[in-house]
Amino acid sequence: NAGVTQTPKFRVLKTGQSMTLLCAQDMNHEYMYWYRQDPGMGLRLIHYSVGEGTTAKGEVPDGYNVSRLKKQNFLLGLESAAPSQTSVYFCASRTGVVEAFFGQGTRLTVV
Amino acid sequence: AQKITQTQPGMFVQEKEAVTLDCTYDTSDPSYGLFWYKQPSSGEMIFLIYQGSYDQQNATEGRYSLNFQKARKSANLVISASQLGDSAMYFCAMREGKRGGADGLTFGKGTHLIIQP
Repeated sequence: NAGVTQTPKFRVLKTGQSMTLLCAQDMNHEYMYWYRQDPGMGLRLIHYSVGEGTTAKGEVPDGYNVSRLKKQNFLLGLESAAPSQTSVYFCASRTGVVEAFFGQGTRLTVV
Repeated sequence: AQKITQTQPGMFVQEKEAVTLDCTYDTSDPSYGLFWYKQPSSGEMIFLIYQGSYDQQNATEGRYSLNFQKARKSANLVISASQLGDSAMYFCAMREGKRGGADGLTFGKGTHLIIQP
């Protein structure tokens, strides 16, 4: 989707390694979200942010940290990756009532 | 209890037929929003349609309409005149709380729709 870019698109980690996923949007949106999608499931909310310098926990926050130092960027960190964190990660941003802008997803495998 | 229930794991439909994808939801909040997304095999999430709990009329967007039955807590997606390109996963989602609130979405498990020629 134009406007929301996730980096990287694919990654393989070893158990215990750390990494940061970057979500960048150029639409000046206040609200940004990180979701994970597991096989046979819908997306589940990890963390979200209502503006620069603010973050809040979602449904499944354990094992993840986030930061929103700049309005356009929302970072998702895994300090010590576990196989249970193997998933596809989606970032979304919005203005108004609808999450109309999702990133293309990051496929993370933890071995 | 699940907040969003999609009871059809998979559906096969003939091209040009209308399709109804079921979604029921559970909330005690009088203010909420209901959403439908399409996820093609390429993986991206595409927003289709939105319905607010206080909206008087059913939402429509081109070939998509949302059959909103508040008393039954039902928000079914109707696709008219289905096309081969409609083959995808479809997710129903809800946000509880005031319109425009910050909370994220709660998604159902999805329905895999396959359109047959």
